Amino acid sequence: GIQVEQSPPDLILQEGANSTLRCNFSDSVNNLQWFHQNPWGQLINLFYIPSGTKQNGRLSATTVATERYSLLYISSSQTTDSGVYFCAVSGNYQLIWGAGTKLIIKP
Amino acid sequence: EAGVAQSPRYKIIEKRQSVAFWCNPISGHATLYWYQQILGQGPKLLIQFQNNGVVDDSQLPKDRFSAERLKGVDSTLKIQPAKLEDSAVYLCASSLAPVVGQGAGANVLTFGAGSRLTVL
Repeated sequence: GIQVEQSPPDLILQEGANSTLRCNFSDSVNNLQWFHQNPWGQLINLFYIPSGTKQNGRLSATTVATERYSLLYISSSQTTDSGVYFCAVSGNYQLIWGAGTKLIIKP
Repeated sequence: EAGVAQSPRYKIIEKRQSVAFWCNPISGHATLYWYQQILGQGPKLLIQFQNNGVVDDSQLPKDRFSAERLKGVDSTLKIQPAKLEDSAVYLCASSLAPVVGQGAGANVLTFGAGSRLTVL
């Protein structure tokens, strides 16, 4: 099955910094989603991005399907960006989840 | 639109007892998922329904876990008897369509707040 690897596993930044989170996957996919899980456990979908680039405010994502990776960019980090960021991909009907990147934004 | 509703939010039981979790998906969402998330790990799919049929239950421990979605709307996940290792957050999610098929927003997952289970 598809393997999903996220890096880095942990990231600690000061408020205002920019960050790049990476998701590598082992096979072709037709579905890739980025999620944010806040410190209270709520999972929120950030992007549906099997290919191309999307932006939503301070967040943007790029997926290069031919090279099997996706990047999530967070600019001007805020403390509310803290939490775990998951990448989930699918080549058939089941989403395969990465282990996540834990992001801590210090004030 | 109303989100995915789950209850109870928290439950503490003794091992070997039973527990049930309820989920009401977003109206019109045909696909419903139950995930188990153990502290520090990513979500693990337990079961996926398409309307009232099961699409995937390959990771559901069927000797103790059961789930149903009788009318293709809300769903119940039951654990009987519970074990210590069942302590986790049980997350329900829904999507308009299955993960593969209709593309774009149709297969974007929306999650509920989760039900946190502690087994003592």
